[in-house]
Amino acid sequence: EAGVAQSPRYKIIEKRQSVAFWCNPISGHATLYWYQQILGQGPKLLIQFQNNGVVDDSQLPKDRFSAERLKGVDSTLKIQPAKLEDSAVYLCASSTGTGKGYGYTFGSGTRLTVV
Amino acid sequence: LAKTTQPISMDSYEGQEVNITCSHNNIATNDYITWYQQFPSQGPRFIIQGYKTKVTNEVASLFIPADRKSSTLSLPRVSLSDTAVYYCLVGDDDSSASKIIFGSGTRLSIRP
Repeated sequence: EAGVAQSPRYKIIEKRQSVAFWCNPISGHATLYWYQQILGQGPKLLIQFQNNGVVDDSQLPKDRFSAERLKGVDSTLKIQPAKLEDSAVYLCASSTGTGKGYGYTFGSGTRLTVV
Repeated sequence: LAKTTQPISMDSYEGQEVNITCSHNNIATNDYITWYQQFPSQGPRFIIQGYKTKVTNEVASLFIPADRKSSTLSLPRVSLSDTAVYYCLVGDDDSSASKIIFGSGTRLSIRP
């Protein structure tokens, strides 16, 4: 089974620029999550999708972050404009939504550096 | 969502058994206990999940006492490759509305 795919792997941008990350979850996984992981900390949930609908975006800084999940499959997370404190690894995870015993599958993440 | 508390770091040696304990005093009836492992430059990886008593798989064992207010991840005969951050999470994994909230994890360092 193919894992969760994310791209790009690394991205360096200047502050105030915009950036977008892409995630392709495991086929058939209804639930998709975006996490932000700052160096030395645990991942922080930004947004959760169930199919193409948003379940929870309470931690998403909506003035600069946006996310969508087209047709309930791929998802894109965008930051515009970026700030220095947005430097982090952005992780995408997916699950069946009834993943008892199997947990969630994470991608390798996109490492964003804002300079 | 139940909050978890685990040691910030642990050290051990190759070949030893390592036990990492997690405290989750406010665990709810529907909550499962799940452990993840994270290596540098990778996303967290599912290790094991349980509800009560003991669960064992090819990687680890999970011990959960009757009151479920804590759990212990046991790694038998660790090797250098087990050096990673280990996260303990609790939540209702059997729900489409479930979400997992990470704490700071336990940084495990294995020495030769």
